[in-house]
Amino acid sequence: DGGITQSPKYLFRKEGQNVTLSCEQNLNHDAMYWYRQDPGQGLRLIYYSQIVNDFQKGDIAEGYSVSREKKESFPLTVTSAQKNPTAFYLCASSIDRPGDPRRYGYTFGSGTRLTVV
Amino acid sequence: AQSVTQLGSHVSVSEGALVLLRCNYSSSVPPYLFWYVQYPNQGLQLLLKYTSAATLVKGINGFEAEFKKSETSFHLTKPSAHMSDAAEYFCAVSDRTGRRALTFGSGTRLQVQP
Repeated sequence: DGGITQSPKYLFRKEGQNVTLSCEQNLNHDAMYWYRQDPGQGLRLIYYSQIVNDFQKGDIAEGYSVSREKKESFPLTVTSAQKNPTAFYLCASSIDRPGDPRRYGYTFGSGTRLTVV
Repeated sequence: AQSVTQLGSHVSVSEGALVLLRCNYSSSVPPYLFWYVQYPNQGLQLLLKYTSAATLVKGINGFEAEFKKSETSFHLTKPSAHMSDAAEYFCAVSDRTGRRALTFGSGTRLQVQP
């Protein structure tokens, strides 16, 4: 079955370390997204990519970086510049082809919980 | 810029009672609107979405929502709550052009009392 796989499910980071969260999809979706979830704040957009080799900053991109070298993969790196990285991170994907009736159907992964120790 | 407001961070109902979760949006043009449900430590599951077809949208698990342009609202309802409905619910909007990423409300945690 197609879907989105996020790994690891739990991740611990020491102060000053960079860590990379994996997101892979086999849905043949064009667009991919990273969200951060904190209690009481909903989900906030970190980065998104609508096409391979291109990505855009979301609302809270500072301290994060991404790459989109393959259609299936959209890894997120949490850098040491992110001062408060402890959160639940969700990856999503969607079809982004004009005229496709399945457009605006977003699929979410099961998330990675990152904790600073 | 779009925004979504969910009134009530916590809602408690009795089993069998009506569920009403409120969502208002702010957008210069009517956006696409979504309701998602999240169980602890899991991703989001789509309940229903409005993409400019019928204004009354029926979703999974007996939920429905009505798009009211004049009130800029998209409230979620269910006639009779089940214990299994206890979860967090998010309203979201997507622009029809531009970045097309979802913008989320802050969420409403639904408790169902026996």
